[in-house]
This record gives sequence, C-alpha cells and structure tokens, in this order.
Amino acid sequence: AQSVTQLGSHVSVSEGALVLLRCNYSSSVPPYLFWYVQYPNQGLQLLLKYTSAATLVKGINGFEAEFKKSETSFHLTKPSAHMSDAAEYFCAVSDPRYSSASKIIFGSGTRLSIRP
Amino acid sequence: DVKVTQSSRYLVKRTGEKVFLECVQDMDHENMFWYRQDPGLGLRLIYFSYDVKMKEKGDIPEGYSVSREKKERFSLILESASTNQTSMYLCASSFPQGYEQYFGPGTRLTVT
Repeated sequence: AQSVTQLGSHVSVSEGALVLLRCNYSSSVPPYLFWYVQYPNQGLQLLLKYTSAATLVKGINGFEAEFKKSETSFHLTKPSAHMSDAAEYFCAVSDPRYSSASKIIFGSGTRLSIRP
Repeated sequence: DVKVTQSSRYLVKRTGEKVFLECVQDMDHENMFWYRQDPGLGLRLIYFSYDVKMKEKGDIPEGYSVSREKKERFSLILESASTNQTSMYLCASSFPQGYEQYFGPGTRLTVT
C-alpha cells in the first residue's frame, strides 16, 4: 500500500538559512508526488508536483524537490528561508488504486518555523 | 484561476444536530473530495466522488455521508453531530488521472 512519511513534525530554521523538509514514500508503481503548503487558517496550496518528467522539480516561492527513486525520497528544499515561509508543509503520493480519481495520500505534515 | 469555495469558515453546532457542509468548484472538475484535518494526523479522506451521483468511501467515512447532485457541488453531511467530529474540514477538486487537487479555505466545525 502507498504511504508517506514526513520526518520531523516541527522544523525551525533561521531566516536566510537552508530549509530541508524530509519526505519518504512507498509505492508499488511509479508515483506522482506532491508538496503542499498551508498557511494559518487557509486551505492547502500546491507548491510543486513530480510526474516523472524530471527528477528535480521547481515550485513556487523558490522551493524545489528532488525525486530519488533509490532512496524513495522526495525532500523539499529552499536555499534561503524567509519569514513568510512559516507554514505547515504536506508531502503526498498518488494512490494508483484510484488513479482516475486523482486520489492522493498525505503525510502528517511538518510545521516550519523561521527564527529572525 | 481555480476557485473552490466552502459555505462557512466557522460553524458551531450542538451534539445530535444534522450538519451540512457545502463545497462548490468552478473549474468543471470531475473529482471532488472531503477531508478532515486534525493536529498531528494530517489530512484524512472522508469521501470522494469521481462523477455526479458517484461516491466512494475514504479512510474515515463513519458518521458521515455525502451528496453530489451536480458536477460543481459536493456536500458533506453529519447525520448526528458528535463532539469527536470537531475538526477542520477541507474540500478539494481535481481533474482525473494524476492531476493535483485544489483546496477550499476550510470549515472549522465545533460540536458542543
């Protein structure tokens, strides 16, 4: 069965420092992978999406993620954190049992805090 | 620009009440979803629908039902609200075949 594991429920970095949010997945078939961001009291917004076209995926707000099949990982990075990046981040993987329904499975989320 | 709207941002209901949460999308998406979000548990799928009048149970359907009479509208129904249904409810929609889901702003439901 497909699953997603996000390592670290809370990550804190200094403004200007590297952001690294970890995500590992399990999937029986080549997956679609997603990173979403949720700002306080808002819905989720797509940051980026992997669909097998390229292993390094660039998203909005300077974020990118690299698909590593050998490590079953899809970690999210940003070279320099900004105060506005403080939010909760969710990694997600497609569920091939319901591919036509675009059903995806979410990780439990990582809250990112930025220190001034 | 995709728009998913939810009928209420905040809702307070009493135990035993019947509760309707409405979701409308304007992008002609075939698929629609209802999730609940609780701290430390991420998003859990309640129900989804891949066509009008079609529905599938998600991971936690107990205590909920849904209705999709029109393509753009997907309703979540709590037949008899209980305190353990206090949560944030998120609606989403998408095209088929691996497309990303677009989310509404959420409804924070409190059952007292």
